[in-house]
Amino acid sequence: AQTVTQSQPEMSVQEAETVTLSCTYDTSESNYYLFWYKQPPSRQMILVIRQEAYKQQNATENRFSVNFQKAAKSFSLKISDSQLGDTAMYFCAFMKPNTGNQFYFGTGTSLTVIP
Amino acid sequence: DAGVIQSPRHEVTEMGQEVTLRCKPISGHNSLFWYRQTMMRGLELLIYFNNNVPIDDSGMPEDRFSAKMPNASFSTLKIQPSEPRDSAVYFCASSLAGTQYFGPGTRLLVL
Repeated sequence: AQTVTQSQPEMSVQEAETVTLSCTYDTSESNYYLFWYKQPPSRQMILVIRQEAYKQQNATENRFSVNFQKAAKSFSLKISDSQLGDTAMYFCAFMKPNTGNQFYFGTGTSLTVIP
Repeated sequence: DAGVIQSPRHEVTEMGQEVTLRCKPISGHNSLFWYRQTMMRGLELLIYFNNNVPIDDSGMPEDRFSAKMPNASFSTLKIQPSEPRDSAVYFCASSLAGTQYFGPGTRLLVL
């Protein structure tokens, strides 16, 4: 079974600063997908970013970027210029293709952006 | 695109009552997932369907829970009889090419 570990239950960052959330995973697969989802107080699960394991280039989406280290099985999320609206729970997820698109989620990191 | 639609958004019921949660996936998506989220256990996958067929229901907690997907545009999750420990937020998600898109969730409170 795949496991996803988020070792930081809670983090905080000053507004406009940069913060990095950690995620590691365990798999014997070579082809897979990794995701970060954001869950604000509204409880809606929102896709932040997606990374295909076969791509060496790190994915970016505006202020959000990842540091994907395949050999180390690490997939961290960097949020630049943090905004108050970034306050949320962040979940890392792993998906192995051809298995019905089943996700394996980490336990989440609660991020608070301080004004 | 309306996204994944779930109803009701909130449900309050008494122990022993039947509860039915509904989900309409994004048109064209061929996979559908039901999750439960609680403070104690986090986000749990209950069951998922591919092309309307249940693939893995090992996450369904017990026989009181059942899920159906009669067609590509509708799924239900039923709890009968409901118990206070079923109180949680239930999410439905759909996907086509890997990425899962979540509905807004149904907040269930069983008294």
